[in-house]
Amino acid sequence: SQTIHQWPATLVQPVGSPLSLECTVEGTSNPNLYWYRQAAGRGLQLLFYSVGIGQISSEVPQNLSASRPQDRQFILSSKKLLLSDSGFYLCAWNNGGNTGELFFGEGSRLTVL
Amino acid sequence: AQSVTQLGSHVSVSEGALVLLRCNYSSSVPPYLFWYVQYPNQGLQLLLKYTSAATLVKGINGFEAEFKKSETSFHLTKPSAHMSDAAEYFCAVSGGTSYGKLTFGQGTILTVHP
Repeated sequence: SQTIHQWPATLVQPVGSPLSLECTVEGTSNPNLYWYRQAAGRGLQLLFYSVGIGQISSEVPQNLSASRPQDRQFILSSKKLLLSDSGFYLCAWNNGGNTGELFFGEGSRLTVL
Repeated sequence: AQSVTQLGSHVSVSEGALVLLRCNYSSSVPPYLFWYVQYPNQGLQLLLKYTSAATLVKGINGFEAEFKKSETSFHLTKPSAHMSDAAEYFCAVSGGTSYGKLTFGQGTILTVHP
């Protein structure tokens, strides 16, 4: 069966420090991968999605970037964190089926101080 | 373009009472619709989905939802609330593209009182 994992689960970082959140999927190949951010009271915002290695699409301009170095690995990064980057980050995947159903990881809570 | 509106950011019910969480959508193409549940500090779990088959969809944990095209609605119901149903619920719409870019509502926090 397919599984998705994110780490770290929680992270407290000072303003201006770098960020790396990692997500991996197992049990499938060539998944579509997504990074969502959930800020308090603001629902889920799609940040990035990827349909293949090295292929990244950004949905909103921001201080973050994403990379997909391997088929089932998706990384969210920042060179210098801002206070506004705080939130709950969710990685998700699907296999390109046209219903759009997504499968989510456990989430990573980032607090920027 | 697609959008989802969840009416009521907070809903409170007594244990054993009916749960009704409202969702209205807007889509220029026939939609696929989803309800997800999120417990504190966890990811989202799929409750149920509508993908153009039966309009009354049954999901996990006793939840169901009915797709009403004329009302552009996909409300979530459960006949009898349980304490374990307390969570945040998200309605989402997909336009059937192959990239799964779901558009989510703002979420409804369900509180269940004993």
